[in-house]
Amino acid sequence: DAEITQSPRHKITETGRQVTLACHQTWNHNNMFWYRQDLGHGLRLIHYSYGVHDTNKGEVSDGYSVSRSNTEDLPLTLESAASSQTSVYFCASRKGNTGELFFGEGSRLTVL
Amino acid sequence: DQQVKQNSPSLSVQEGRISILNCDYTNSMFDYFLWYKKYPAEGPTFLISISSIKDKNEDGRFTVFLNKSAKHLSLHIVPSQPGDSAVYFCAASDGGSNYKLTFGKGTLLTVNP
Repeated sequence: DAEITQSPRHKITETGRQVTLACHQTWNHNNMFWYRQDLGHGLRLIHYSYGVHDTNKGEVSDGYSVSRSNTEDLPLTLESAASSQTSVYFCASRKGNTGELFFGEGSRLTVL
Repeated sequence: DQQVKQNSPSLSVQEGRISILNCDYTNSMFDYFLWYKKYPAEGPTFLISISSIKDKNEDGRFTVFLNKSAKHLSLHIVPSQPGDSAVYFCAASDGGSNYKLTFGKGTLLTVNP
């Protein structure tokens, strides 16, 4: 079955370290998204991509970057992790411009 | 500025009764609305959607109602079951923003046996 997977599922890191969260989908979806979930804020969009070599900033993009070198993967990089980036991160994909998103199981990141 | 609002952080209902989850939006350009359900330690899963050209969409026990003039939508679950206990997110999108989904903060539904 096609799916979307995130790794690692859990990570603890220190302030200032670079961290990369992986997202891989096997549906061949063009659209991919990264969200973070925080208590009291719901799901907030970090970055998104509508195809290979296309990346766009979401509402909370500061301190994060993404790259899209192929259809299947959209890694999320925290260049210099901060305690404010402690959160649960969800990757999602969508076939076209409309319709539902399919989410991964999430990556819980703790920055000490 | 929060464009999608779920004003009830939590809701508790008895098994077999109706659950009504509410969502308000401020952006009049939104034309597609979705509900997602999320269990702890899992990713959100799609539940039901509605286009702005409709005012109701039904799928089994789940019905979504859209009132465009009031910028309000609601999710009805009838009858509620203990397995429905989860966080429910309302989301909206529009073509002008490249169909990005904007989510509400979520409502925790607890269905008591």
